[in-house]
Amino acid sequence: GNSVTQMEGPVTLSEEAFLTINCTYTATGYPSLFWYVQYPGEGLQLLLKATKADDKGSNKGFEATYRKETTSFHLEKGSVQVSDSAVYFCALSDRGDTNAGKSTFGDGTTLTVKP
Amino acid sequence: DTGVSQNPRHKITKRGQNVTFRCDPISEHNRLYWYRQTLGQGPEFLTYFQNEAQLEKSRLLSDRFSAERPKGSFSTLEIQRTEQGDSAMYLCASIGGGSTRNEQFFGPGTRLTVL
Repeated sequence: GNSVTQMEGPVTLSEEAFLTINCTYTATGYPSLFWYVQYPGEGLQLLLKATKADDKGSNKGFEATYRKETTSFHLEKGSVQVSDSAVYFCALSDRGDTNAGKSTFGDGTTLTVKP
Repeated sequence: DTGVSQNPRHKITKRGQNVTFRCDPISEHNRLYWYRQTLGQGPEFLTYFQNEAQLEKSRLLSDRFSAERPKGSFSTLEIQRTEQGDSAMYLCASIGGGSTRNEQFFGPGTRLTVL
């Protein structure tokens, strides 16, 4: 079956520090990969995605590259802000039509950015 | 269209009572998903619909749980004889077609507390 393993948190950084949150996956097929962000009291929001090997997803200064050879999709940001404080989830979904969208999530990594 | 909506946002109930949650997906999204998220964990897949047909149910969905999507639009999730272990955030997501067919749009969730 599919599974996603995320770097355990919590992660605490100072403003403008570099962020990396590791994510590795196991999948029976060739999945699409996602990062979601969840702010306190809110639902999940898609942050970025990549649908094939070597694709780089990017949004709001965050980036992640689909690495098929290492089955990884690490999230990075060069300079974090206090407003980036949230829980980040790595996820995958099957690309086939039958299961498109049914996602498997990691357990989340809590990021706190201090001024 | 403002996105996926869920009602109620919070529900507190006593053990043994029945509860029902509603999800209104983005208009014309034909796929609808239910997930459960417990504290410190990522969302776990419960079930999904394509239009009005329920195509898959997770083994997490015990006999006390039932979901419907009678007209292929909104969906309801009912839990009968609630137990304290049912306390969680219940998330709904929908997917449309085309280039975003793997991209889930999540609602804000319904937080259930069973006393």
